[in-house]
Amino acid sequence: EAGVAQSPRYKIIEKRQSVAFWCNPISGHATLYWYQQILGQGPKLLIQFQNNGVVDDSQLPKDRFSAERLKGVDSTLKIQPAKLEDSAVYLCASSRATGGQGNYGYTFGSGTRLTVV
Amino acid sequence: ELKVEQNPLFLSMQEGKNYTIYCNYSTTSDRLYWYRQDPGKSLESLFVLLSNGAVKQEGRLMASLDTKARLSTLHITAAVHDLSATYFCAVALNNDMRFGAGTRLTVKP
Repeated sequence: EAGVAQSPRYKIIEKRQSVAFWCNPISGHATLYWYQQILGQGPKLLIQFQNNGVVDDSQLPKDRFSAERLKGVDSTLKIQPAKLEDSAVYLCASSRATGGQGNYGYTFGSGTRLTVV
Repeated sequence: ELKVEQNPLFLSMQEGKNYTIYCNYSTTSDRLYWYRQDPGKSLESLFVLLSNGAVKQEGRLMASLDTKARLSTLHITAAVHDLSATYFCAVALNNDMRFGAGTRLTVKP
């Protein structure tokens, strides 16, 4: 099966600019996650979708970050305006069930490396 | 709040040696995952551990889970250079999967 697709792979922007990332999950995977991975750290969950509804966005900085998942398939994550500390890799993951239940782990995309200068 | 601690954070070992990476977590959970990440790459799922006493092995890697001690271990047997990567454990809690900080493993000839 095709993996989780993300674009772009790399993005460099100036602080206060806006940026958007795109994710296409594995077909049939109802749950989609966006993670932020700062260099040298483990991934941190930003937002989780179940189909096109938000399950958990408690760690999403809502003053500048937004995400949507239209029609329960593709998702976009936006940052506006960006800050220097937003420099990180943004990973999209999908799974068949919420929380990776049972034997279903998460499948991660290749990520988008964002550099804010 | 669920906390996940890995140690060591950095590990340099020689080929052929054995070593264990530890993952402690603070809240009861029945699912624990191990992932591998190569530099500049995404995360690759290695193991999913679902119950107390679960043990899984793939090649030179073996993972185990003790839910009572809230501890998982990733044991490396006769390390080879190809195992050089960062290894993350992640603990599932409700709808979230909380990651440890990772163990950066370097295997030297």
